[in-house]
Amino acid sequence: DAGVTQSPTHLIKTRGQQVTLRCSPKSGHDTVSWYQQALGQGPQFIFQYYEEEERQRGNFPDRFSGHQFPNYSSELNVNALLLGDSALYLCASSLVLRGQDTQYFGPGTRLTVL
Amino acid sequence: GQQLNQSPQSMFIQEGEDVSMNCTSSSIFNTWLWYKQDPGEGPVLLIALYKAGELTSNGRLTAQFGITRKDSFLNISASIPSDVGIYFCAGQITPGTYKYIFGTGTRLKVLA
Repeated sequence: DAGVTQSPTHLIKTRGQQVTLRCSPKSGHDTVSWYQQALGQGPQFIFQYYEEEERQRGNFPDRFSGHQFPNYSSELNVNALLLGDSALYLCASSLVLRGQDTQYFGPGTRLTVL
Repeated sequence: GQQLNQSPQSMFIQEGEDVSMNCTSSSIFNTWLWYKQDPGEGPVLLIALYKAGELTSNGRLTAQFGITRKDSFLNISASIPSDVGIYFCAGQITPGTYKYIFGTGTRLKVLA
């Protein structure tokens, strides 16, 4: 049973560039959430996708956008990169049952913006 | 960004000792999750709590969902060197929202 997978593992970009990160959810899960984790901090919620639509969004600018595909995999896109976007980007998948939403994380993508 | 109050921030303990950490919030939560994160890796789920007062164990780990629904604690018994890492609590606010708010983390170091 494959867990949550993310690609790439590491990425280096320069300011102003655009980046796309990918996530495949755990088998049987239909919901994908994205988080940003700065060094020394807890993860911060970016948004959640369900049924190919953004269901909820955290306090992140419109430069952060996403997509969910029919197979439940997801992409996170960040435009016009800033130095402050350097962080570990985590994807979490879940299957909400009886109101219970237990999220399982992938290994993350380390993004460095120079 | 929004984060839960988690304490202690860090702790050094001797191998074999018990450890306790907790999270508190001003908001009512309907779910508490506890994770462990090793450097450069994603958080690994340890325990999930869904009801106020619920007490759940996973091996040497025990966690409880506070009666007020505004706090949770995690205990680790008889710590071993591989318990080293950062422990995070995460809460989901009631009424139902889909995002989790994470604690600031407890960094645990175990001295052999």
